[in-house]
This record gives sequence, structure tokens and C-alpha cells, in this order.
Amino acid sequence: EVQLVESGGGLVKSGGSLRLSCAASGFTFSSYTMTWLRQAPGKGLEWVSSISGTGTYIYYADSVKGRFTISRDNAGNSVYLQMSSLRAGDTAVYFCSRLTCSGGNCYTPPDFWGQGTLVTVSS
Amino acid sequence: DIQVTQSPSSLSASVGDRVTITCRASQDVRSALGWYQQKPGKAPERLIFAASTLQSGVPSRFSGSGSGTEFTLTISSLQPEDFATYYCLQYNRYPLTFGGGTKVEIK
Repeated sequence: EVQLVESGGGLVKSGGSLRLSCAASGFTFSSYTMTWLRQAPGKGLEWVSSISGTGTYIYYADSVKGRFTISRDNAGNSVYLQMSSLRAGDTAVYFCSRLTCSGGNCYTPPDFWGQGTLVTVSS
Repeated sequence: DIQVTQSPSSLSASVGDRVTITCRASQDVRSALGWYQQKPGKAPERLIFAASTLQSGVPSRFSGSGSGTEFTLTISSLQPEDFATYYCLQYNRYPLTFGGGTKVEIK
């Protein structure tokens, strides 16, 4: 059974940092592009960042580029999102998911999602 | 970046109604479009990928169509458990972009 479990969310002050983790199980982790998505309270879904199976290809939304860093540990079946210079606009539930891509071309959109972890940035 | 415009943003319908939601992409995304259902406090669930391929386990009353820039999600006969918010997502090119969502409410 595919499982994705996010952790690391919490309350942080504007300008602060936080590291999110996503523990994966039930599938061959290194074969999948992993991705972070978020949803601000009462708002729609937003893609944040993706990292290919080997870590070679990394993409960021313009809204987080230069502030967030995605990484993965294939031996530990985990993906991370290091967030710095946090702003009120980063307040959201952060989800991790997997998708099937080859380089920058994706063949299937995110299928399984974790339950999400809430990040609250206070001013 | 590819913009995805979803309409309507909300609708009211009755059990048994046929419901149609549309997404328009600002550029050709071929068939790289998925549809998701999200209920309050839950993670989204994938209903359809590749524009028209039904996710395993999803009821057949859900269907998707379209390619290029125009896509449609149809629920043939709305059931009580279908009241939720629906999103489309283009994954043809980074950045991945979602439509704004359609909230389906009970009339």
C-alpha cells in the first residue's frame, strides 16, 4: 500500500525557516518524481516543487524559487522541503505526492497524496 | 507559464443531475490534464488522468474528455458523496498549474 506521511509543519515567524519531511513506503521510491504542493487556508491548490527520481531534475514555482530547497534520500525513502525566508503568504497545508516523469516531461499527474502538514507563518 | 481557467467556480445541483466542469489551458497541453476531487479537510484524490483515463476505483459516472486546450469533467448522475471541490491540473510542462477549483454544492 502506497503511503506518504508528511511532518515538520508548525508555527514560525516571518523570515524564519522550517524543514518539511515526507516519508514514503509501499512503492519503489527512486522510480518516481516526488513533488510538494500546498493549499492556503480556504484557497486552491498550488504546485511548489518537484525532484526527479535521481535528483537530477529539480523545479520550483516562481513564488518559492531562491527560498525553498527540495531534496531526497532514496536510501531512506524520504523527500524534504527546506523552507527559508518564510512569509505570511507561505501559510498553507503542504502535501507531498509522487508523479511519473522523465526529465521535464511528466506522463501522469500526482496520484497518491499524503495527509498534509500545516505551516503557519506569523508576522 | 500555462494558465488554466476553470469554470464555473461553483455550482448548485441536485442528486441525479448531470454536471459538467470545464478547464481551458492558455497553451496546448496535449492530453496532459488530470482531475481531482477534494473534500473538506482531506487531501485531493485523483479521478482522471491523461484527460480521459479513469483512475482505478473511481465510479464510472465520472468521465473526462478533451485535448489541446479545452477539457471537460462530467458527472453523469450526481450522488450525495460527490459534493466536493474539483480541480483540474495540467502537467504537460513545468510549472504544473491548477485550475481555480469548482465547488459543487447541494441545491
